[in-house]
Amino acid sequence: NAGVTQTPKFRILKIGQSMTLQCTQDMNHNYMYWYRQDPGMGLKLIYYSVGAGITDKGEVPNGYNVSRSTTEDFPLRLELAAPSQTSVYFCASSYWTGNQPQHFGDGTRLSIL
Amino acid sequence: DAKTTQPPSMDCAEGRAANLPCNHSTISGNEYVYWYRQIHSQGPQYIIHGLKNNETNEMASLIITEDRKSSTLILPHATLRDTAVYYCIVRVERDEETSGSRLTFGEGTQLTVNP
Repeated sequence: NAGVTQTPKFRILKIGQSMTLQCTQDMNHNYMYWYRQDPGMGLKLIYYSVGAGITDKGEVPNGYNVSRSTTEDFPLRLELAAPSQTSVYFCASSYWTGNQPQHFGDGTRLSIL
Repeated sequence: DAKTTQPPSMDCAEGRAANLPCNHSTISGNEYVYWYRQIHSQGPQYIIHGLKNNETNEMASLIITEDRKSSTLILPHATLRDTAVYYCIVRVERDEETSGSRLTFGEGTQLTVNP
């Protein structure tokens, strides 16, 4: 079972470069999320989506953009990379109803130099 | 969502029960207590959740006090693979708005299981 798949696993960017972090899930979950985790800290929500075509900001959305054209995919884009965006990025997905927990990917470790 | 307070670190001997406490004194009547854990360098993993009653699954047990202001996650026979950061999260189960079922992570408890 693939679950939530994130690519790439590691990336080093130069200041000002742009990139897209990919996230795909094969569980037909309607909700998807992007979190970032700085060293020694808990996760902070960047953006989330309640279904294809619908996205909204979380706690720390500045410097990021997302899109949700399909149920399966939820890419996160950094347009002008800054050192403050050095972090580990986690994508998650879940059903809306009932007791369904969030399922997380293994993360993308991003360094901006 | 209610704020939670957890000790920053705990130790446990392998094979013994690990009891991880969490305070959530401002919890509302419709907020659930969730536990996740994060093993180093991996994504968070769901463990268990509950509202009022104690809950048990194949991974752990969750004990919630009668006033719901605190809870304890119990790993009955801790192994070295249970070494992780454990997060206690309180949130509404069904978010009727479009804001989704977001999780607010604190800093958690670093549980170290020793041989």
